[in-house]
Amino acid sequence: DSGVTQTPKHLITATGQRVTLRCSPRSGDLSVYWYQQSLDQGLQFLIQYYNGEERAKGNILERFSAQQFPDLHSELNLSSLELGDSALYFCASSPAGQGTDTQYFGPGTRLTVL
Amino acid sequence: QQPVQSPQAVILREGEDAVINCSSSKALYSVHWYRQKHGEAPVFLMILLKGGEQKGHEKISASFNEKKQQSSLYLTASQLSYSGTYFCGPKGANAGKSTFGDGTTLTVKP
Repeated sequence: DSGVTQTPKHLITATGQRVTLRCSPRSGDLSVYWYQQSLDQGLQFLIQYYNGEERAKGNILERFSAQQFPDLHSELNLSSLELGDSALYFCASSPAGQGTDTQYFGPGTRLTVL
Repeated sequence: QQPVQSPQAVILREGEDAVINCSSSKALYSVHWYRQKHGEAPVFLMILLKGGEQKGHEKISASFNEKKQQSSLYLTASQLSYSGTYFCGPKGANAGKSTFGDGTTLTVKP
């Protein structure tokens, strides 16, 4: 158990809908990262937050948005969902968001868009 | 730019050795290695820092060539539990895009 929690574990929804994925980092970690992993693919970096501020942005679609709240939990919002958005979404946390930080991954949310 | 890993897949028998390589087009300050078992979250294995410091796993070792911007992961006397997909994540000195390689799938058979 990494100490990172993600909810929900599974999400099934229809095209065009909007969903919110939630992540609580390890106690004391200030940075949160979001990744998308499509079936048997690598980890695609979406976005990173540090202490409430956006720190780095990857290949995140305009239909997707995220934020980190004062209590350090983070939410990833996916809207106008398409079939291709079906994937495992991982959240990871690290102490300081630096390049030498170890990232601790949550168990993931499996999103299925029908 | 995404780091390049090779090989894409490896099949071994228990007790055999394997090497997984990771190359980056950018200057590196550190390299992280993670292992992901099917359907599970990636788990940290090891970090190699510029200057040679290495932290991580007991039975798996790695090297980091700063000049060549490459890292290699050495799995010696493979065990069944080593099966999974290995990802490298080269990092610059500061925070930035957290980019991982495409992964190398290792299958260890009895």
